[in-house]
Amino acid sequence: GAVVSQHPSRVICKSGTSVKIECRSLDFQATTMFWYRQFPKQSLMLMATSNEGSKATYEQGVEKDKFLINHASLTLSTLTVTSAHPEDSSFYICSAADRGRFTNNEQFFGPGTRLTVL
Amino acid sequence: DAKTTQPPSMDCAEGRAANLPCNHSTISGNEYVYWYRQIHSQGPQYIIHGLKNNETNEMASLIITEDRKSSTLILPHATLRDTAVYYCIVQYNFNKFYFGSGTKLNVKP
Repeated sequence: GAVVSQHPSRVICKSGTSVKIECRSLDFQATTMFWYRQFPKQSLMLMATSNEGSKATYEQGVEKDKFLINHASLTLSTLTVTSAHPEDSSFYICSAADRGRFTNNEQFFGPGTRLTVL
Repeated sequence: DAKTTQPPSMDCAEGRAANLPCNHSTISGNEYVYWYRQIHSQGPQYIIHGLKNNETNEMASLIITEDRKSSTLILPHATLRDTAVYYCIVQYNFNKFYFGSGTKLNVKP
């Protein structure tokens, strides 16, 4: 149990285009999902927290108009990188939590999406 | 910001126990300590977590000091597949995780 998937696993796009990344909880309902970004040889950086049916909460320094997050259902959250530029190239990872099922707020992570902007 | 400090790297011989330390001196009474690991280019994998008492599961043991200012993750019999970056995380601010720099564990044959 507690499986989280991401799609696509890797994507290459041209500068100026938008890219959508999906995060799904496969066997549990995720009341909260998180999005992280990881640059090469660095740690994960929390970008935003999204709760089902409400607006995402962004960490300081993360542009909400640049990184659009939608958490429309209890099993799906999407991250859209708008007008992507080469500096947005990174490894994007989502995680999901379900307070109702998992006590102590464990997070379960997806396998990540490698974004390369040319 | 991360509330933990870990050594940047450690070596361990295959088959021996790996003991990974973590300092979290500013931890509050209701904050849990989590351990995750990340193998190259994959999402982090949950290992174990605890509040006050020592914990053990099929993967590892977690030893938390009585004052809760530090903890140690123990992999009892390290294998080459345990080579990864290990993150110690103190969960606070509701349920957010702020990752520190982690410890790169190198298991050598």
